[in-house]
Amino acid sequence: GQQLNQSPQSMFIQEGEDVSMNCTSSSIFNTWLWYKQDPGEGPVLLIALYKAGELTSNGRLTAQFGITRKDSFLNISASIPSDVGIYFCAPFTGTYKYIFGTGTRLKVLA
Amino acid sequence: DADVTQTPRNRITKTGKRIMLECSQTKGHDRMYWYRQDPGLGLRLIYYSFDVKDINKGEISDGYSVSRQAQAKFSLSLESAIPNQTALYFCATSDSWDSGNTIYFGEGSWLTVV
Repeated sequence: GQQLNQSPQSMFIQEGEDVSMNCTSSSIFNTWLWYKQDPGEGPVLLIALYKAGELTSNGRLTAQFGITRKDSFLNISASIPSDVGIYFCAPFTGTYKYIFGTGTRLKVLA
Repeated sequence: DADVTQTPRNRITKTGKRIMLECSQTKGHDRMYWYRQDPGLGLRLIYYSFDVKDINKGEISDGYSVSRQAQAKFSLSLESAIPNQTALYFCATSDSWDSGNTIYFGEGSWLTVV
């Protein structure tokens, strides 16, 4: 089956610090999506990536689709308290199937 | 109002009871999904439906059943709930015409089986 590794599992950072998380897989994907889940809510799309090597920004968030199509990273710059939550990578295989990483739980200390 | 609405948002039920989680969407999407979230395990697919007449098992369908009553409605049933089905359940939708391949989630239903 397809293996998807998301790291780190959790992070505790100080407000203002930059954050980096990534997902790697043994399989090739056509699309990488990054979602954020706020406490008590459903995941919400942050960034979508459609081309190998693509680098996309959304405010303080930057994500890249790895050139091998097997990985992706998400960076958050100058973190703020509302960045707290769980971040999921979700590569799309091109059929029905979205595979979700196990999530990176982020806590921001003021 | 949310585009993907789940009811109930929270439910405590006893072992052996039948429980239904309902989902409705106003996005006009043809595809609907039920996921389960457990700590440290991410989101796992229970069932998915491409349209009203197309329902398929996901990776963890045992102990669950679904019904696609209309394009906008997709319900998940636990015929005889057991404690290890205690989890956060999400309904989601996507549009087969969406080249962006985005999936949209409801707010989740917390289910506790005691």
